[in-house]
Amino acid sequence: GAGVSQSPSNKVTEKGKDVELRCDPISGHTALYWYRQSLGQGLEFLIYFQGNSAPDKSGLPSDRFSAERTGGSVSTLTIQRTQQEDSAVYLCASSSSPDSLPYEQYFGPGTRLTVT
Amino acid sequence: QQQVKQSPQSLIVQKGGISIINCAYENTAFDYFPWYQQFPGKGPALLIAIRPDVSEKKEGRFTISFNKSAKQFSLHIMDSQPGDSATYFCAASSGGRRALTFGSGTRLQVQP
Repeated sequence: GAGVSQSPSNKVTEKGKDVELRCDPISGHTALYWYRQSLGQGLEFLIYFQGNSAPDKSGLPSDRFSAERTGGSVSTLTIQRTQQEDSAVYLCASSSSPDSLPYEQYFGPGTRLTVT
Repeated sequence: QQQVKQSPQSLIVQKGGISIINCAYENTAFDYFPWYQQFPGKGPALLIAIRPDVSEKKEGRFTISFNKSAKQFSLHIMDSQPGDSATYFCAASSGGRRALTFGSGTRLQVQP
């Protein structure tokens, strides 16, 4: 079946602009995660959505970052007033079973964000 | 407390050899330890995972060894192939959220 999809695959933006990154999880997966992969920080957790529960935003690096998930499916990660340090690959993952075995998370191909 | 330390940073192995990547953790609440494989330009792909109630798990050429008392786990790739050349990440998670804490990655190169 279809895996996790993300769009766009690449995004180049000017410093100070806002960007939106989209994630389509695997159908039926109730849990959705955003991670960021950068040279300096490696792979780091940003935010977690599970069903209709309030999202866990504990990994967001600043208040310029926000995310929403509509209808329990598609998610959008928004970065306002982008900075050069926001340049990274933003990865989305989904899981059918975050609170019971096997806990597996499946990743999308990522969006490479470059802030000039 | 949340950190997962991974070594080596890079590894070169001859075709047919054994690749070994090690990880160590501090947080004793971690109870799920997956390994991910990532090719350039792609997202991480789940390779194999283990829970601390077993000391070893094998799937094909890939084996995880787990030492709960030492808080260490490792990935062994038997009969390494050039197609295994990729970056490998260990990870750990705990609790209901299951957000993954990743190691820093190991770049594996298998020479033909």
